[in-house]
Formats: sequence, C-alpha cells, structure tokens
Amino acid sequence: LAKTTQPISMDSYEGQEVNITCSHNNIATNDYITWYQQFPSQGPRFIIQGYKTKVTNEVASLFIPADRKSSTLSLPRVSLSDTAVYYCLVVSGGSYIPTFGRGTSLIVHP
Amino acid sequence: SQTIHQWPATLVQPVGSPLSLECTVEGTSNPNLYWYRQAAGRGLQLLFYSVGIGQISSEVPQNLSASRPQDRQFILSSKKLLLSDSGFYLCAWSGPGGSYGYTFGSGTRLTVV
Repeated sequence: LAKTTQPISMDSYEGQEVNITCSHNNIATNDYITWYQQFPSQGPRFIIQGYKTKVTNEVASLFIPADRKSSTLSLPRVSLSDTAVYYCLVVSGGSYIPTFGRGTSLIVHP
Repeated sequence: SQTIHQWPATLVQPVGSPLSLECTVEGTSNPNLYWYRQAAGRGLQLLFYSVGIGQISSEVPQNLSASRPQDRQFILSSKKLLLSDSGFYLCAWSGPGGSYGYTFGSGTRLTVV
C-alpha cells in the first residue's frame, strides 16, 4: 500500500486559493488518488479522484504530475465553510484496506 | 441510490458494560464494510473490515469485535467497555476493491464513563 504524507495543518483566509499537497512516493501503476473532506462529528465525504494530470469538478481540482509521486488538491476561493480535515488516500486496485491517516486540518479565517 | 445508516448517534456507557453498534447499507449488494474509530483530534483508525457475510478481518487487536450476520449489516461489539474505548465510531462501505469510493455513515459518539 502506498503510504501518504500531508501537512498536519494549514491556515487560509476567505477568498484565497488553497493548495494541499500529498506525497505518495511508492504509488503503484494501478493505484489512483482520492481526496476526502471531514467536518467535525461527521464522516468523511468524497471530494475528487484522479489517476494523472488534472481533474476538476464543481468543488475542487486535483493536480497529479507525470511521476504521480505527489498530488495537490486545490480549493478555489475558500470560504469559512471549507474549514475541515482533508484526507489524501491512495486506492489500490483490489485492496480492501483503506488507510486514511491524520489528514490536513484546514482552518479558514474571516 | 445507496445509503448507509448507523446508530445510535451518541452513547454514554459505564466502564465494564457491553456495547453494540449497528450499521446497515441499502441499495447495493455484497458491499465491503468497515468500522473506523477516531479519537479526538486524531485520524481515522481502521478497526475491522469485511468482504462478505461472516468474513471479518481485524486490523487492531483489542476488546472490540465485529460481526456481519447479513450481507448489508455490520455490528461492532464489546463485552466490557474500557475508558479507552471512547471515541467517534464510523461505519463505511465500498464496492469490491474500493470501487465507488468509500461512503461513511454519520457516526456514533461513544463516551465511556
């Protein structure tokens, strides 16, 4: 399983773009990258998923370089409601053991 | 559409008492099921996962156990709770191999007193 490393915490202000980078140096060929968001006292919810290059949806963008050893979740123009913990997860085809780690605690200030 | 139900939402139990948390999934068949625990300010710790009825794998040995009596039902139990069992318990499901992503229930806040 690919181990992931991401910053423990980040601070930002409303209206700014936030980029959270996750390292996954031993990612395998068939693995793909997913990001989840968790608010206090709630379960994590899926944000975005990608294999390579760039993926964009209505919530975020995911940038994955050619070597796929890292990925960056980009949140455009954050608001106070984006304050949450963000988890990077490398999903292995056929793996049944999703390990979420501690995630990145993002605090958005007024 | 698929939904996951987890109850109760909050629970306060005395030390040494038994525990039973239930999780059910609707709208899918043969899901992979997971139990996680999250201590305050910490990440998600995978406790158990199941790929089929009666098939349980334990990630962390402790005084908790899990059972899957039906395809879409996953139960977390303890015979005697410890103070250290306090935390936020989350049930989740996925398709085979993690397909369809991981969908979590709303969680149970357990306080052992």
